[in-house]
Amino acid sequence: GESVGLHLPTLSVQEGDNSIINCAYSNSASDYFIWYKQESGKGPQFIIDIRSNMDKRQGQRVTVLLNKTVKHLSLQIAATQPGDSAVYFCAEPRTPYSGNTPLVFGKGTRLSVIA
Amino acid sequence: KAGVTQTPRYLIKTRGQQVTLSCSPISGHRSVSWYQQTPGQGLQFLFEYFSETQRNKGNFPGRFSGRQFSNSRSEMNVSTLELGDSALYLCASSLASGGATDTQYFGPGTRLTVL
Repeated sequence: GESVGLHLPTLSVQEGDNSIINCAYSNSASDYFIWYKQESGKGPQFIIDIRSNMDKRQGQRVTVLLNKTVKHLSLQIAATQPGDSAVYFCAEPRTPYSGNTPLVFGKGTRLSVIA
Repeated sequence: KAGVTQTPRYLIKTRGQQVTLSCSPISGHRSVSWYQQTPGQGLQFLFEYFSETQRNKGNFPGRFSGRQFSNSRSEMNVSTLELGDSALYLCASSLASGGATDTQYFGPGTRLTVL
C-alpha cells in the first residue's frame, strides 16, 4: 500500500555538524510534504513543508529537498545543536475528502546530538 | 495566536474504566484530528472531525469515539479501557480551508496510562 517511510531509525551527529534525515514515499501523485520534530514528551512540531512544484525550500537552519524522480525527500539541519535532538517525521497530508487518513506519517528518525 | 491545547496532560486509569480527553484547536481552525502514538505502532490515525461531523475514521474499535462542538473543540472517549490503550493521544487542528491538502498543527498530547 501507499506509505511514507524513513530510511534510518537513528542518527547521531556531532554538535556543529550538518544533519541529513531521509524519507522515501511511494505515491507518485503525492504533492505536499511536511517535516515534524517531536521532542520527548511533546507533540510533533511543524518545521517546514514543501509542495511538489518545488525541489528545495529553506527555513532557518533547515532545508528540505524533494526529488520527485526517485520519490525521496530529505531534511538538512545546518550546524546541529543539542536542542535539535528529537524524533523527526516526514508526513504527507492527504486530501480530506478522499476517505484517507488526513496525515500519513513515517516511523520517524531519532536524531541525537553529541556535544 | 495560541496553539492547540489538550487536557488533561496526564491520566492514569484502570482496566475497564472509561476516559474523556479534550482538545481545543487553534482559533479559526475547523478540523480536528486525533492520533494514538505508541512506541511499537508509531502514530496511528483515530478520527477527524469537521463542522461537528466525523469526516474520516481510522482502524480502531468502537470503544474509541469522539465528537466536535460548534466552537470546534473536540473530545474523544475511550470506554472499557484495556492495557494496550496506554499511549500518547495527540490532537491536531487545521484550517480545513476547502479541500486542499492542509497543514496540521499538534497539541502537546495526553499521556494515558492504563493499569
